[in-house]
Amino acid sequence: NAGVTQTPKFQVLKTGQSMTLQCAQDMNHNSMYWYRQDPGMGLRLIYYSASEGTTDKGEVPNGYNVSRLNKREFSLRLESAAPSQTSVYFCASSRVTWISYNEQFFGPGTRLTVL
Amino acid sequence: GIQVEQSPPDLILQEGANSTLRCNFSDSVNNLQWFHQNPWGQLINLFYIPSGTKQNGRLSATTVATERYSLLYISSSQTTDSGVYFCAVSDSNYQLIWGAGTKLIIKP
Repeated sequence: NAGVTQTPKFQVLKTGQSMTLQCAQDMNHNSMYWYRQDPGMGLRLIYYSASEGTTDKGEVPNGYNVSRLNKREFSLRLESAAPSQTSVYFCASSRVTWISYNEQFFGPGTRLTVL
Repeated sequence: GIQVEQSPPDLILQEGANSTLRCNFSDSVNNLQWFHQNPWGQLINLFYIPSGTKQNGRLSATTVATERYSLLYISSSQTTDSGVYFCAVSDSNYQLIWGAGTKLIIKP
């Protein structure tokens, strides 16, 4: 049971380049999330997917797009990277039901630098 | 929206000491989690504790939902306990709101 996996672990981009961060979970969770963490701060939600086929904006969605490819996979795309997007990106998943919100489990993170 | 405040912001202790970390939140929540972020950046789930008390080895946590706070206790600290401890809560939607963290340094 790998839990939540992310690729790549590290990435350096030039301003204007595009890339996709991949995330997969093997816990049969229905909800998935993308967060970013800037130095010295807690995490902020970029986008989430409550269930397969749905996506919603979080606190800081500008400059990002997401795709819930299937129940296991949730990708984050930067179409035109900017230095302000230099951050550590975490993917998470949880089993949310209509009567309870269960705990979120996190991947190892992707450290992205935009020059 | 919900505000989350953690205290203290920094804590330096000798190995073997005990500590209490606090998380205050401004509104009722249905999810509260404690995380440890180790020096390599990995986020480790410690407790899912929207209410009540839980223990796991040297760590325990208590959430008093009616008074809007949670406490994380670390006993007999070890150098491997060093890192940043985060409290995160959510209310009626899916978003976890994070505190700024408590940076813990355990000296040998």
